[in-house]
Amino acid sequence: QQQVKQSPQSLIVQKGGISIINCAYENTAFDYFPWYQQFPGKGPALLIAIRPDVSEKKEGRFTISFNKSAKQFSLHIMDSQPGDSATYFCAAKVSNSGYALNFGKGTSLLVTP
Amino acid sequence: GAVVSQHPSWVICKSGTSVKIECRSLDFQATTMFWYRQFPKQSLMLMATSNEGSKATYEQGVEKDKFLINHASLTLSTLTVTSAHPEDSSFYICSAKGLAGGINPDTQYFGPGTRLTVL
Repeated sequence: QQQVKQSPQSLIVQKGGISIINCAYENTAFDYFPWYQQFPGKGPALLIAIRPDVSEKKEGRFTISFNKSAKQFSLHIMDSQPGDSATYFCAAKVSNSGYALNFGKGTSLLVTP
Repeated sequence: GAVVSQHPSWVICKSGTSVKIECRSLDFQATTMFWYRQFPKQSLMLMATSNEGSKATYEQGVEKDKFLINHASLTLSTLTVTSAHPEDSSFYICSAKGLAGGINPDTQYFGPGTRLTVL
């Protein structure tokens, strides 16, 4: 059972536009929500993460919005660049546990020049 | 900081042979390491979780006798694919989390992956 549902599966955005990827979770015990970026043939790299005590976190062009009541969180990439073209995975887990991250299925982002 | 390396980055082997993949945390002590398998254009599939000095916990459907995991130290875990067959061809990625100054204990840091091709 997919514990984290991610959409869309793929996304095409023009350079300079805003890329938005959404995730939803069911387990209310989850309290750590990271986003990873993966380029072809490489391992995932942590992009940004959020905990439920804040509704938004921004790092550079990347912003996570978090809606605890709706059990949803999203990644916004502002001023998207061709170099942002990659696969993005959202994830969730219970913090301070030995459990692995629960990953979404990923979103393939293509930023066109 | 928080760098995880994997070796080899790619390997080609004949069917029936065994292949060992190493995963190292270079600048922190990894209390827990995870092994994933990833098929093209798909998400990461967790294979097993290992804690230093104890037996790995395998996910349902993962053959523990085929995918041997050893986590002998706080900086090294190995995955051995025994008697590999073409269907074992995949991208194998390890990740680690640990306890150290500046390290978020919940963050999983991923290695660069190992591409295994079994002929």
